[in-house]
Amino acid sequence: KQEVTQIPAALSVPEGENLVLNCSFTDSAIYNLQWFRQDPGKGLTSLLLIQSSQREQTSGRLNASLDKSSGRSTLYIAASQPGDSATYLCAVRPGGGADGLTFGKGTHLIIQP
Amino acid sequence: DGGITQSPKYLFRKEGQNVTLSCEQNLNHDAMYWYRQDPGQGLRLIYYSQIVNDFQKGDIAEGYSVSREKKESFPLTVTSAQKNPTAFYLCASSLSRQLLFFGSGTQLSVL
Repeated sequence: KQEVTQIPAALSVPEGENLVLNCSFTDSAIYNLQWFRQDPGKGLTSLLLIQSSQREQTSGRLNASLDKSSGRSTLYIAASQPGDSATYLCAVRPGGGADGLTFGKGTHLIIQP
Repeated sequence: DGGITQSPKYLFRKEGQNVTLSCEQNLNHDAMYWYRQDPGQGLRLIYYSQIVNDFQKGDIAEGYSVSREKKESFPLTVTSAQKNPTAFYLCASSLSRQLLFFGSGTQLSVL
């Protein structure tokens, strides 16, 4: 059974710092991996999607990498801002005929002004 | 605007009662999903449907039921067999196993 782990569980940094969030998964037979952002009491907003054949994706200040063979992904946030404060979740979609993403528990990020 | 609509935003269940959560999408997505989120936890998959009139159990399907009679709609019923239903329920949809889009969620509580 796929398991997704996110480290650290919580992170607090001053505004302007670059930071890295980590995600690891136990079964490398994935179809794709997606990073999300969740604000308190809200649904999830998609940030980046990486296909299993890709190594990285970029959107603005965000860069996500994928090393499928080692079961790892990182989300890099450049020049952090207070508005980046949220919980960040990664999720993997299985390969084969099954569907339904498996989620990590998230990293709760606070950017101090 | 295209998107996923979940209703109601808040729902209260009495002991022994079945309640139904609504999820509608106008994105023309083929697949729809239901997830449950408990405080401090990640999302756990309840059910998913890849096509109309077909659905599959997720990791925590016991005590829940679904239907997929229309492409746009995927309601979730929380039955009286679910003994710990208090949670935040999220509906999602995707097209061809690509980006997953979420609704704004329903908070279910027990009276």
